[in-house]
Amino acid sequence: AQSVTQPDIHITVSEGASLELRCNYSYGATPYLFWYVQSPGQGLQLLLKYFSGDTLVQGIKGFEAEFKRSQSSFNLRKPSVHWSDAAEYFCAVGPFGNEKLTFGTGTRLTIIP
Amino acid sequence: SAVISQKPSRDICQRGTSLTIQCQVDSQVTMMFWYRQQPGQSLTLIATANQGSEATYESGFVIDKFPISRPNLTFSTLTVSNMSPEDSSIYLCSVEGTGGENTEAFFGQGTRLTVV
Repeated sequence: AQSVTQPDIHITVSEGASLELRCNYSYGATPYLFWYVQSPGQGLQLLLKYFSGDTLVQGIKGFEAEFKRSQSSFNLRKPSVHWSDAAEYFCAVGPFGNEKLTFGTGTRLTIIP
Repeated sequence: SAVISQKPSRDICQRGTSLTIQCQVDSQVTMMFWYRQQPGQSLTLIATANQGSEATYESGFVIDKFPISRPNLTFSTLTVSNMSPEDSSIYLCSVEGTGGENTEAFFGQGTRLTVV
């Protein structure tokens, strides 16, 4: 069965500092990997996704993620965070097409001045 | 892409009552998904709704508690029946756009339900 682990429940970083959110997955085939962001009181917004090809994917809002098959990881990074990045971040894995996604437990990001 | 409108955005309900959540999509989709997000938790899939057939429920969720309708390819409802405080959650509707590398899941804004 597919599963996603986000080992960090809560991360606090200073505004302007770099960020890395960890995501490890378990999946029996080639995974399709996603990062979503959920701002307070909002739905989920897709930041980026990986299907194939270049293992470093660029997303919206200056985020990027790197797929490392050998480590079963898909960590999210941003070189310099902004106060508006404070939110809950979810990593998800799924098969291709009209099938469900499996989400990690999320990482809550707090930004301090 | 798909734009999803979910209603109501929030509600406070008395225990023992039922609430029906509506999900409208701006395009025709084969499958619609209903998720629950309990306070401080991740998303858990409740069921998958196909038009013209009964919804498929995940382990731990049953039709009597969460009946789902899917009358057409752009609309679905989820009812939370005989509510208890444990049902207080955010309920999210989702669809997945297909098309190879264009596949992604789109989510409604969610319905924040509080049961008192």
